[in-house]
Amino acid sequence: AQKVTQAQTEISVVEKEDVTLDCVYETRDTTYYLFWYKQPPSGELVFLIRRNSFDEQNEISGRYSWNFQKSTSSFNFTITASQVVDSAVYFCALSEPSIQGAQKLVFGQGTRLTINP
Amino acid sequence: DVKVTQSSRYLVKRTGEKVFLECVQDMDHENMFWYRQDPGLGLRLIYFSYDVKMKEKGDIPEGYSVSREKKERFSLILESASTNQTSMYLCASSLEEGWVTGELFFGEGSRLTVL
Repeated sequence: AQKVTQAQTEISVVEKEDVTLDCVYETRDTTYYLFWYKQPPSGELVFLIRRNSFDEQNEISGRYSWNFQKSTSSFNFTITASQVVDSAVYFCALSEPSIQGAQKLVFGQGTRLTINP
Repeated sequence: DVKVTQSSRYLVKRTGEKVFLECVQDMDHENMFWYRQDPGLGLRLIYFSYDVKMKEKGDIPEGYSVSREKKERFSLILESASTNQTSMYLCASSLEEGWVTGELFFGEGSRLTVL
């Protein structure tokens, strides 16, 4: 069965510092998708990125970047020059096919990130 | 603006009560999901539905049932609420894209307290 591990339960940094959130996954599938979601204090999870297993290129979107390494089964997320608005719980997730073929997501435990002014 | 709407943000129920959590999406998505979120455990899948009247158990279905009579609506039912079902419940939907795993769109969540 798929498994996602986010070993960092909580991280606290001072504004403008860079911070990396770790995500390690386990799967026997050769085709799969990895996701990151942000859950701000309001509660609604917001999609950040989707990556498929065939694309190991790193992705950058503004201050956000993602490092996907199949060799270590990791999909880490880095925020550069962090801001207070980045404070949230961040979830990493892995796709898992169901019996009927529908795709569902398995989530990690989440990392609570606090950015202090 | 695409949206997943959960009927109640906060509910307080008594042990043994029957509880209905309603979720509606306006994106014509085939797939709908109910997750439960607890501190330190992340999101755990309770049930999901890939079509009207079709459902499949997730990782923690015990004590729950679901209903999907219309494509846009997916209900989670607690037949006899217990205190260990106190939690945040999250509904989500996704477009069916074949072998591609679609992005999940989430509602704001329903925080249920069972006394």
